[in-house]
Amino acid sequence: DGGITQSPKYLFRKEGQNVTLSCEQNLNHDAMYWYRQDPGQGLRLIYYSQIVNDFQKGDIAEGYSVSREKKESFPLTVTSAQKNPTAFYLCASSISRGENIQYFGAGTRLSVL
Amino acid sequence: RKEVEQDPGPFNVPEGATVAFNCTYSNSASQSFFWYRQDCRKEPKLLMSVYSSGNEDGRFTAQLNRASQYISLLIRDSKLSDSATYLCVVNRYNDYKLSFGAGTTVTVRA
Repeated sequence: DGGITQSPKYLFRKEGQNVTLSCEQNLNHDAMYWYRQDPGQGLRLIYYSQIVNDFQKGDIAEGYSVSREKKESFPLTVTSAQKNPTAFYLCASSISRGENIQYFGAGTRLSVL
Repeated sequence: RKEVEQDPGPFNVPEGATVAFNCTYSNSASQSFFWYRQDCRKEPKLLMSVYSSGNEDGRFTAQLNRASQYISLLIRDSKLSDSATYLCVVNRYNDYKLSFGAGTTVTVRA
């Protein structure tokens, strides 16, 4: 059953804490992306990676970090430097050529305690 | 100016009605256009790609107007299950990154 799996579904962060959101795909896609969605706003790109061991900052990378050690995995860490982390975080992947249709995981809702 | 702009709605329509809405984009060099559907508190899912010649998928019709830089989505014979937020998505020129509109909310009532 191919797809993108994000975990956890809900996450709570305490002040000063780093938290890591997991994203795994078994679609054999080259490219992976992290987006943040706030109410009434479009998705905003945090980080993206087109190949293993390489990633680039998106539009709102400050306070976030990523790694891409395996093709299947692209975890996102929300650091304590991100002062307004409450949002819906979406991971996506694509084959990185042609139309570049992106497919999304079910998302993680992060809230601050 | 936002890269992709949509009328947020909501569009409230009765079952069986036709509803149509547009989205405008600012980058004239954009090459790929999509409509995604997002249900409340769920992930976006691809509804359809939009091609220059226009395309249809069942009750859904998408059109692209490059001269005026907008795309449209028309839903015929609306069903209750069509209630969702529809996201307009455009690629950035020579780039695999996508720009997302904030969405148009459609509510179909019985």
